[in-house]
Amino acid sequence: DTEVTQTPKHLVMGMTNKKSLKCEQHMGHRAMYWYKQKAKKPPELMFVYSYEKLSINESVPSRFSPECPNSSLLNLHLHALQPEDSALYLCASSQDRAANTGELFFGEGSRLTVL
Amino acid sequence: KNQVEQSPQSLIILEGKNCTLQCNYTVSPFSNLRWYKQDTGRGPVSLTIMTFSENTKSNGRYTATLDADTKQSSLHITASQLSDSASYICVVSDQGSGTYKYIFGTGTRLKVLA
Repeated sequence: DTEVTQTPKHLVMGMTNKKSLKCEQHMGHRAMYWYKQKAKKPPELMFVYSYEKLSINESVPSRFSPECPNSSLLNLHLHALQPEDSALYLCASSQDRAANTGELFFGEGSRLTVL
Repeated sequence: KNQVEQSPQSLIILEGKNCTLQCNYTVSPFSNLRWYKQDTGRGPVSLTIMTFSENTKSNGRYTATLDADTKQSSLHITASQLSDSASYICVVSDQGSGTYKYIFGTGTRLKVLA
């Protein structure tokens, strides 16, 4: 099983809502990532978890809150978002270190629209 | 500043034709270089991964080359198909950061016409 599964595929929320994006992988990967991608732009790194601990936070606003309940799951909690936060949110996972030749697997993404 | 630049930004070709996409990078020290295919609104899918010691790697009709001396890579698509229409992203691993950062190029948007 070489899949990263993201849910939901589409999410529409108001600026006062609280919602969550979920990501799951069963490849035994110990590094998991959240990326944000705007149209016609490359993915931008948001967070990295390594061995279930937050390793990198790319100065992401606190209205985005990541959580890694276990080695297979990664959540992104959303609260009080702005319309400019509308984007494709991609989850990815890799074996561990970026320096090796291991694959970086991406999920299909969650398309978020903030009204 | 570590950068990855791709050219052309967009490309239109006829079905059955070949094409070559370019990637130039300034990432140093360099760990590996990856090419991804991304369909609109979908997650990127890996095509090839190359370390600094590899010059070429193929995956079906996709062949990637790497010149670590000039810091250039190319992705050659042979006998293009309509399904090749997508964005192609070059991604370089920054070994020097010691973390988990992948540096993404801005991509080349390929359109294959019947």
